[in-house]
Amino acid sequence: EDQVTQSPEALRLQEGESSSLNCSYTVSGLRGLFWYRQDPGKGPEFLFTLYSAGEEKEKERLKATLTKKESFLHITAPKPEDSATYLCAVQARQAGTALIFGKGTTLSVSS
Amino acid sequence: GAVVSQHPSWVICKSGTSVKIECRSLDFQATTMFWYRQFPKQSLMLMATSNEGSKATYEQGVEKDKFLINHASLTLSTLTVTSAHPEDSSFYICSAPTGKEQYFGPGTRLTVT
Repeated sequence: EDQVTQSPEALRLQEGESSSLNCSYTVSGLRGLFWYRQDPGKGPEFLFTLYSAGEEKEKERLKATLTKKESFLHITAPKPEDSATYLCAVQARQAGTALIFGKGTTLSVSS
Repeated sequence: GAVVSQHPSWVICKSGTSVKIECRSLDFQATTMFWYRQFPKQSLMLMATSNEGSKATYEQGVEKDKFLINHASLTLSTLTVTSAHPEDSSFYICSAPTGKEQYFGPGTRLTVT
């Protein structure tokens, strides 16, 4: 069964304190791994898509990496405005283009 | 990135009534759209796949007669919650793929009283 597990469930950081969020997955043929940011009461905002092990993508303070079993979202020197829930999702070859989501990591950054 | 809109953003209805939610791709065409449901503190769960020109496909456990989906055009899909009950109260989100990426709407908060 295709599955996505994110850890930790919640993370509290001080402004400027770098850290990483983990996304472990089991899927029957990975078509793509997606990272989204979701603010309370809003739809997910697209961040990155990764397709193969070893791939890395960066956007401002965020950097996503991918291995054959997991992905990391590294947050460098976070700011309070980075506070949100970060969702990881996979797209399996057999599932068409539907995404399977993890439960998310809720990040709180305090100044 | 691509833009997907939803309408309404929130709705309150009485038990037993029906509610229609619209999902539009504003700057691209989508032959397929997806409908997800998200309960508080939970992840997004796929409900159904909306296909332009053909019937929607539903995930196991989702009642197709209760959640009616119509993909009216290449930019519009609608989800109608029929005979809504309080347990249908949730956050409904649509998405549409374009190329290798997938974009989500802002969501619709449904509250059934």
